[in-house]
Amino acid sequence: DGGITQSPKYLFRKEGQNVTLSCEQNLNHDAMYWYRQDPGQGLRLIYYSQIVNDFQKGDIAEGYSVSREKKESFPLTVTSAQKNPTAFYLCASSMQMNTEAFFGQGTRLTVV
Amino acid sequence: QKEVEQDPGPLSVPEGAIVSLNCTYSNSAFQYFMWYRQYSRKGPELLMYTYSSGNKEDGRFTAQVDKSSKYISLFIRDSQPSDSATYLCAMSASGFQKLVFGTGTRLLVSP
Repeated sequence: DGGITQSPKYLFRKEGQNVTLSCEQNLNHDAMYWYRQDPGQGLRLIYYSQIVNDFQKGDIAEGYSVSREKKESFPLTVTSAQKNPTAFYLCASSMQMNTEAFFGQGTRLTVV
Repeated sequence: QKEVEQDPGPLSVPEGAIVSLNCTYSNSAFQYFMWYRQYSRKGPELLMYTYSSGNKEDGRFTAQVDKSSKYISLFIRDSQPSDSATYLCAMSASGFQKLVFGTGTRLLVSP
């Protein structure tokens, strides 16, 4: 069953901690993306990767880091430098940059 | 001014109504247009994908692109309560260009 799997569904982070959100796809897509969604602000691009071992900053990359060591995987680390990390995080993938993008079910991160 | 504008709603309609959802944009280079449906606390689901101008129909859904007016629409016929969700438009230019999303329109279909 092809798709994008994000885990965990809910994540709680203490102040000063780094946390890593998982994103795995079995669609054989080259491009992968991380978005942040806040109420009333739509989707904002954090990082994207067009190919393995390459990634680019999006519009709001500060306080985040990513890696793309495998085609199927694009984990996102929310570092302690991200001052307002509470949000809904969405991972997506597409064959190429401007073909249809398919999303995972999201991870809701809350700072406690 | 945002690159993509979308009325946040909510748009409330009775079951069976025809729904019209719209986005306007400012970048004339946009050529790829998408509509997504997002239920609360879920990831967006791709509904329609169109390239350049024209219409595309899929079941109860019709997507229209008017590049001369920089305006795209999604029509939902015979709307159902299960259509209640937030609808996001997205678009991009050719080449390795990122998708730009609207903020979404919340639709409520009452039985």
